[in-house]
Amino acid sequence: NAGVTQTPKFQVLKTGQSMTLQCAQDMNHEYMSWYRQDPGMGLRLIHYSVGAGITDQGEVPNGYNVSRSTTEDFPLRLLSAAPSQTSVYFCASSRSAGLAYEQYFGPGTRLTVT
Amino acid sequence: AQKITQTQPGMFVQEKEAVTLDCTYDTSDQSYGLFWYKQPSSGEMIFLIYQGSYDEQNATEGRYSLNFQKARKSANLVISASQLGDSAMYFCAMREGTTGGFKTIFGAGTRLFVKA
Repeated sequence: NAGVTQTPKFQVLKTGQSMTLQCAQDMNHEYMSWYRQDPGMGLRLIHYSVGAGITDQGEVPNGYNVSRSTTEDFPLRLLSAAPSQTSVYFCASSRSAGLAYEQYFGPGTRLTVT
Repeated sequence: AQKITQTQPGMFVQEKEAVTLDCTYDTSDQSYGLFWYKQPSSGEMIFLIYQGSYDEQNATEGRYSLNFQKARKSANLVISASQLGDSAMYFCAMREGTTGGFKTIFGAGTRLFVKA
């Protein structure tokens, strides 16, 4: 199993550009999440999904869209990039939304917006 | 609203000694899960330990134990016999049940430095 994969690993965008960060998992996990990690602020939840076709907002959803058309994939779209979106983005999955299931994380995407 | 607080931005511990990393949480849900993760300098996130809100015993996993005090809403991580490889960021996280929509949120983290 590859686990949770994220592409690209690094990305530089200009202000106003849009892009999609890809996330895929091959563990048949129902629950997937996107986080951003900024120095001193830990991981902040952007959007999450408890199953295919179901998504919900996290703590910092503005400027980001998600969809979950399949169990495996959970792409994150930046609609119009801003310098404030410079961050490291992590995708994570867990077996289900059940309380006892830990999350498995991808390696992260380092995004710089100039 | 959910909240996780880790009040120690950085901690130092001598090799082979024990260290406690603090975590307090706020939730109105009766059912929730608490997690600790480790992030070494390489950047990956590693799951360490889990405690359920209804678990009566504190969770243990090898050198890691979770000091769960439900009434105080605290879930401190205890690392016994620290090793140099324990130097990393440590994050406390909580997943709420139905009230919180099954969100999983994290604290700001504590950076642990283990001294030889």
